Amino acid sequence: NAGVTQTPKFRVLKTGQSMTLLCAQDMNHEYMYWYRQDPGMGLRLIHYSVGEGTTAKGEVPDGYNVSRLKKQNFLLGLESAAPSQTSVYFCASSSDLTDTQYFGPGTRLTVL
Amino acid sequence: RKEVEQDPGPFNVPEGATVAFNCTYSNSASQSFFWYRQDCRKEPKLLMSVYSSGNEDGRFTAQLNRASQYISLLIRDSKLSDSATYLCVVNEDTGNQFYFGTGTSLTVIP
Repeated sequence: NAGVTQTPKFRVLKTGQSMTLLCAQDMNHEYMYWYRQDPGMGLRLIHYSVGEGTTAKGEVPDGYNVSRLKKQNFLLGLESAAPSQTSVYFCASSSDLTDTQYFGPGTRLTVL
Repeated sequence: RKEVEQDPGPFNVPEGATVAFNCTYSNSASQSFFWYRQDCRKEPKLLMSVYSSGNEDGRFTAQLNRASQYISLLIRDSKLSDSATYLCVVNEDTGNQFYFGTGTSLTVIP
């Protein structure tokens, strides 16, 4: 039982490049989230999903897209990376809106 | 105005000390409250949920004050292993968002 896993763990991009971050959970959770964490800002919600095939915008969605084609996977895409997207990205899942969120280990992304 | 505000600290306390953190939230409709712990360069992990009546888990006590819109975390008999950043988290049932505070840094000194 791996919980929540994220791929990759580290990545360096050049401005304008694209990439996809993969989040996978094996707990059969309906809810999945993508956050970014920046110094002095706390975790901020980018996008979330309340079930397979559904996604919604969070607090800071601009510049990102997501997809939830399978219940266990939640993908975060950056179409044209910008230096302002340098951050640590965390994926999380939960069984219910008010339930505990389980986080993946994070992806450290640097955009040059 | 931030949804959730915490004193960033740092709090440096000796082993065995008692330390308390507060967190204020702006939306009076908030329904669910949590404390998470985050170690350096690691993911956040749930420490405890906060219930209206207050709750205790070993050396940790969490309390909610709806009238003043704050939650608190009390750590008794601090251990070196308690050194971490403590995140206050608030959820509004009207939306699907959890709001995280920026965290309070605690270092327990031998």
